[in-house]
Amino acid sequence: EVQLLESGGGLVQPGGSLRLSCAASGFTFSSYAMSWVRQAPGKGLECVSVIGGSGSSTYYADSVKGRFTISRDNSKNTLYLQMNSLRAEDTAVYYCAKVSGDAFYYYYCLDVWGQGATVTVSS
Amino acid sequence: QSALTQPASVSGSPGQSITISCTGTSSDVGGYNYVSWYQQHPGKAPKLMIYEVSNRPSGVSNRFSGSKSGNTASLTISGLQVEDESDYYCSSYTSSPLYVVFGGGTKLTVL
Repeated sequence: EVQLLESGGGLVQPGGSLRLSCAASGFTFSSYAMSWVRQAPGKGLECVSVIGGSGSSTYYADSVKGRFTISRDNSKNTLYLQMNSLRAEDTAVYYCAKVSGDAFYYYYCLDVWGQGATVTVSS
Repeated sequence: QSALTQPASVSGSPGQSITISCTGTSSDVGGYNYVSWYQQHPGKAPKLMIYEVSNRPSGVSNRFSGSKSGNTASLTISGLQVEDESDYYCSSYTSSPLYVVFGGGTKLTVL
């Protein structure tokens, strides 16, 4: 069974840092791009970052560029999101999602989602 | 890039059919046959329902169908059931920086 399990969420003060992890199982992890999608309370979905299967290609939304870093360890089947300089507007549930392929034209299609990790930025 | 435009809410009665629209531009929805639809129940993760405009993943009911005309994609749910009550999001391939853009979401109420 294909599964994604996020961890690392929590409460952090503005300006602080947090690292999310996503453990993948049930598929050949390195063959697929992976994505982080967030959902602020009562709001819609926003893709914040995507990483190619090899880890050499990374992409970011303008809202997080320069503050967030996506990475992956294919030997551990794990995806990461390092979040620095956190702001109140970063408060959201962060979902790890598997892209349906590795090429960039697949990035719109997220076929497996984790259960989500809650990040709250507040003093 | 701007989010795709969806109606905030739609409603229907059990057994009826409804359609949710997703309007973009020629740079996303209209330019490629790369549109997906997701169902999200409260407090749950989204679930892929449609990809490549009209294809259903294994296990998704054939009551769900997708189509596209010009810059607008549509999700149609036929034979509405109470359990279809949920939020629905569209997404489309687009140019960089992320190659993906989401719609704002539509709340479906089954009366």
